Amino acid sequence: GAGVSQSPSNKVTEKGKDVELRCDPISGHTALYWYRQSLGQGLEFLIYFQGNSAPDKSGLPSDRFSAERTGGSVSTLTIQRTQQEDSAVYLCASSLTSGSGNQPQHFGDGTRLSIL
Amino acid sequence: AQTVTQSQPEMSVQEAETVTLSCTYDTSESDYYLFWYKQPPSRQMILVIRQEAYKQQNATENRFSVNFQKAAKSFSLKISDSQLGDAAMYFCACLGTYKYIFGTGTRLKVLA
Repeated sequence: GAGVSQSPSNKVTEKGKDVELRCDPISGHTALYWYRQSLGQGLEFLIYFQGNSAPDKSGLPSDRFSAERTGGSVSTLTIQRTQQEDSAVYLCASSLTSGSGNQPQHFGDGTRLSIL
Repeated sequence: AQTVTQSQPEMSVQEAETVTLSCTYDTSESDYYLFWYKQPPSRQMILVIRQEAYKQQNATENRFSVNFQKAAKSFSLKISDSQLGDAAMYFCACLGTYKYIFGTGTRLKVLA
């Protein structure tokens, strides 16, 4: 498809398990962003990629969170030893370039993560 | 540092009427952009309108327009002729160098 694709759409897992969330950006978009949206809250910035490098990881809540991007395309967000407070919707966005308001972000539908 | 504040957690409007959603921001960037995004229950964030800070003219997109007051750091969204499909969460956002900072959102209800 032409938009940002995220998988899975929903994920339910037990506390302590590891999870991987996937984001497939729009083809040709060099910038990729991960956000977390807790119930009834705004979007919390997690990490930003320009190409395969992550200039800003400042939003990752703890060292249980990591992300990578390969080939300048698909990105995976990994949460190790999940905790109940990790339950949220994880949104991915991409833009043609970074830092340009003329190239706004396009969002995927998100992954709803539920930790039991 | 950037902050974005939406002080109205929820707003209601009658169908066909006009509603204004408020947003204030603070940024140390000299060049920045402001956005309004809409998030329906489907979760996808949809760009509604954007404003370049260096432009004095307020942006408009069909029934959506903004009132950008740079000195006051205010960026409100006006929706005219409200429709049932406008019901959603609305987020204000500020883009500086590369990072988007979002407000906490305003839930808009449209009453038939």
